[in-house]
Amino acid sequence: QVQLVQSGAEVKKPGASVKVSCKASGSIFTRSYMHWMRQAPGQGPEWMGKINPSGGSTTYAQRFQGRVTMTRDTSTSTVYMELSSLRSEDTAVYYCARPLEGGSSPFDPWGQGTLVTVSS
Amino acid sequence: DIQMTQSPSTLSASVGDRVTITCRASQSISSWLAWYQQKPGKAPKLLIYKASTLESGVPSRFSGSGSGTDFTLTISSLQPDDFATYYCQQYNSHPETFGQGTKVEIK
Repeated sequence: QVQLVQSGAEVKKPGASVKVSCKASGSIFTRSYMHWMRQAPGQGPEWMGKINPSGGSTTYAQRFQGRVTMTRDTSTSTVYMELSSLRSEDTAVYYCARPLEGGSSPFDPWGQGTLVTVSS
Repeated sequence: DIQMTQSPSTLSASVGDRVTITCRASQSISSWLAWYQQKPGKAPKLLIYKASTLESGVPSRFSGSGSGTDFTLTISSLQPDDFATYYCQQYNSHPETFGQGTKVEIK
């Protein structure tokens, strides 16, 4: 059974960067993409982008282009999401998730979430 | 991007009630729709995918239907554990997008 374990909560000042990790266990790390979503208070999840753990290629949502960087470390089966130039609107819970199956697929499982608070 | 619109935003119901939540896509997504349940402080949990396929381990009181642009999630007999927020998500095209959620509250 695939498990995704994320790093702990972060508090950042406006203009800073945050780097969230997601460690996968229970399956072959390079088998499928890893996706990142975020969820602001009271809102639905928002897709941010994905990374191919095998080769490291990435696809980002247009609204995060230039501010988000996704990387991976195959030696530890961990992916990272770094968001820069933080503003108060970036306060949200950030999730990693894997596709349930290949091709067009919903997300299952999800990590437990990482709360990022941006406040001066 | 495809916009997903859920209704209602909030629903008050009692244990044993039949509950229906609707989700409308701004363009056709065939049957590439999923439903999730989310409880406070937890990640979304996949309930249904391909519009009507029940995820393993999900109780049979949950069902989904629809195709194209209009979809429904039905809970046949609401149980205490079902009070939560429900989200639809399309995965027909990138970027994958979610509805704004329907909160099911105790009446």
